[in-house]
Amino acid sequence: DIQMTQSPSSLSASVGDRVTITCRASQGISNYLAWFQQKPGKAPKSLIYAASSLQSGVPSKFSGSGSGTDFTLTISSLQPEDFATYYCQQYSSYPLTFGGGTKVEIK
Amino acid sequence: EVQLLESGGSLVQPGGSLKLSCAASGFTFSSYAMTWVRQAAGKGLEWVSTISAGGGSTYYADSVKGRFSISRDNSMDTLYLQMSSLRAEDTAVYFCRGTVAGNYYWGQGTLVTVSS
Repeated sequence: DIQMTQSPSSLSASVGDRVTITCRASQGISNYLAWFQQKPGKAPKSLIYAASSLQSGVPSKFSGSGSGTDFTLTISSLQPEDFATYYCQQYSSYPLTFGGGTKVEIK
Repeated sequence: EVQLLESGGSLVQPGGSLKLSCAASGFTFSSYAMTWVRQAAGKGLEWVSTISAGGGSTYYADSVKGRFSISRDNSMDTLYLQMSSLRAEDTAVYFCRGTVAGNYYWGQGTLVTVSS
């Protein structure tokens, strides 16, 4: 199974900050990586697929990069609505696996 | 607009069975693979199962293999998850998810509680 390791597990940031979250795969997954945002009590919302493609309707302040084993999600200027938990997920092979999540909190 | 609406979640006793449904609309359901993902309270997301567009290929997490069965009715635009031999650790919100032209779409989830 491919293990997905996210870091950090949580972070505190201020409105307007640039935030970067890292996701590392235990083996190469090409660009078969997606990013999701989840707020408490809500369904996940998809942000990025194929490592760097923005899901339709998602603002351009979100961007993804990486290939192989190392990936990043960047939020260019954090806004109040961006405080949430973020997950990566690989879809290179079954079983599909998620990272443990990164909780972005208000400083 | 893509919409996914789960139903069927409830309280069930350990060892019992339950069938979840996910009604899809806004896209050509029969053209895309569909997935179930679950989330226990306060925990992360866990992939459960995926079925191919035509239903001929199915995949399961080891934690549910042999107990859960994924299926779909493309004439009814509906995805199913038949769950049996339920355990306390199966307690979670279950989300259905579709991948349409690379984009992921999620339902709102349905709660399954396994308890005596």
